[in-house]
Amino acid sequence: GENVEQHPSTLSVQEGDSAVIKCTYSDSASNYFPWYKQELGKRPQLIIDIRSNVGEKKDQRIAVTLNKTAKHFSLHITETQPEDSAVYFCAAGRTYKYIFGTGTRLKVLA
Amino acid sequence: GAGVSQSPSNKVTEKGKDVELRCDPISGHTALYWYRQSLGQGLEFLIYFQGNSAPDKSGLPSDRFSAERTGGSVSTLTIQRTQQEDSAVYLCASRRTSGVLTDTQYFGPGTRLTVL
Repeated sequence: GENVEQHPSTLSVQEGDSAVIKCTYSDSASNYFPWYKQELGKRPQLIIDIRSNVGEKKDQRIAVTLNKTAKHFSLHITETQPEDSAVYFCAAGRTYKYIFGTGTRLKVLA
Repeated sequence: GAGVSQSPSNKVTEKGKDVELRCDPISGHTALYWYRQSLGQGLEFLIYFQGNSAPDKSGLPSDRFSAERTGGSVSTLTIQRTQQEDSAVYLCASRRTSGVLTDTQYFGPGTRLTVL
């Protein structure tokens, strides 16, 4: 069935360092890849997304890359700050449906 | 404007009891989703509504789970004869449409269900 694998499950970085989270999807028909951030006790919120006809997208300190051939995509956060600490979820979507990864708990150490 | 709201925020129930969880989507959003988030797990898809109909119920774990949506707005997720493994956070999300994939899914705050 459809599946999205996400790694690592936890990630600790020093403030100011970069963080990279990777996802692999199984459904080759997926054409939309959003990333959500979920702070403790709060709802998931979209932080960035990418469509299948684009290889990379940046928004200030965050960027996503997509390799359709390999069916994997990554989230890159540069110059991490304590407020980046949260759980991050990737998803692969087509038509109405998103399949989510299992999440990465990012801790930014001051 | 008002976001997606859910009630109750917390629900503690005894094994075997029925529970109803409510979702109020953003006004005008035609697509509505229910997800389950267990401790340390991702977002598990349960059911998708387009308007009042549910073309995809494939994620409902058993026939104890059901959902309905009325007036193209409010949705209720019902769990009958609750079991301890039903304990989780149940999240609702809505989108303006389902036809344009990049329409953002907006999530509600969730209902934390604990089955004793």
